[in-house]
Amino acid sequence: AQSVTQLGSHVSVSEGALVLLRCNYSSSVPPYLFWYVQYPNQGLQLLLKYTSAATLVKGINGFEAEFKKSETSFHLTKPSAHMSDAAEYFCAVSYSSGGYNKLIFGAGTRLAVHP
Amino acid sequence: GAGVSQTPSNKVTEKGKYVELRCDPISGHTALYWYRQSLGQGPEFLIYFQGTGAADDSGLPNDRFFAVRPEGSVSTLKIQRTERGDSAVYLCASSLSLSGGPSTQYFGPGTRLTVL
Repeated sequence: AQSVTQLGSHVSVSEGALVLLRCNYSSSVPPYLFWYVQYPNQGLQLLLKYTSAATLVKGINGFEAEFKKSETSFHLTKPSAHMSDAAEYFCAVSYSSGGYNKLIFGAGTRLAVHP
Repeated sequence: GAGVSQTPSNKVTEKGKYVELRCDPISGHTALYWYRQSLGQGPEFLIYFQGTGAADDSGLPNDRFFAVRPEGSVSTLKIQRTERGDSAVYLCASSLSLSGGPSTQYFGPGTRLTVL
C-alpha cells in the first residue's frame, strides 16, 4: 500500500533560520505530491504541489520543495523562518488524476519558531 | 468567495447515539471528499463524491458510516451507534473536476466529534 513518512513529528527552529521538513513516499511509480499547512482551528491550506513538471516547486509564503525520484523524497524548505510559520505541516501523495484525487497524508510535522 | 463550510464545528454525543455532520462545498465544485483526522495523525480518506454519486467509499471504516450528496452540492456524513473510537475531526474538501493533473482540494475547518 502506498504510504507517506514524515520524519520528525516536531521541528523547532529559530526565527530567521532555515526550515527543512522531510517527506518520503513509498512507491515505484512517482505520484503527485503535495504539502499542506494547518493553522490552529483552521482548515488545511495547500502550500504547493508537484505534478511531474519542474522538480523544484515554489509555493506560497516563500516555501519550496524538490522532488527527488531517486530518493523518493519531497522535502519542504524555506530559507528564513518567520514566527507566522508556526503550524502543522502535512505531506500528501495522490496516484489519481483529473477529477479524482484521493490524498494519502503523512502523520504531520509540527513546526515551532522561537525568537 | 466563500470557502468550504462545515457544521457543526463541535459535536459532543454519547456512545450509541446517531450523528450527522454537514459539508457545504465551494459553489461549482463537483468533487467532494470526506476525511477523518484522529489526534496526532494525518487525515485519512473516507469517501469521494463526483456529483451525486459516491464514486469511492473504500475508506469508510464500517457500515455504521454513511454519506449522501443528494443534489450534488451539500453532503452529510452520518454515523450510527457512535463509539468512543469515532472521536476525531471530520474534514470535508471540495474541488473542481479537471483533466490533466490533480485538482486542488479546498478544505473546510472540520467538525470535531467527541463521543463520551
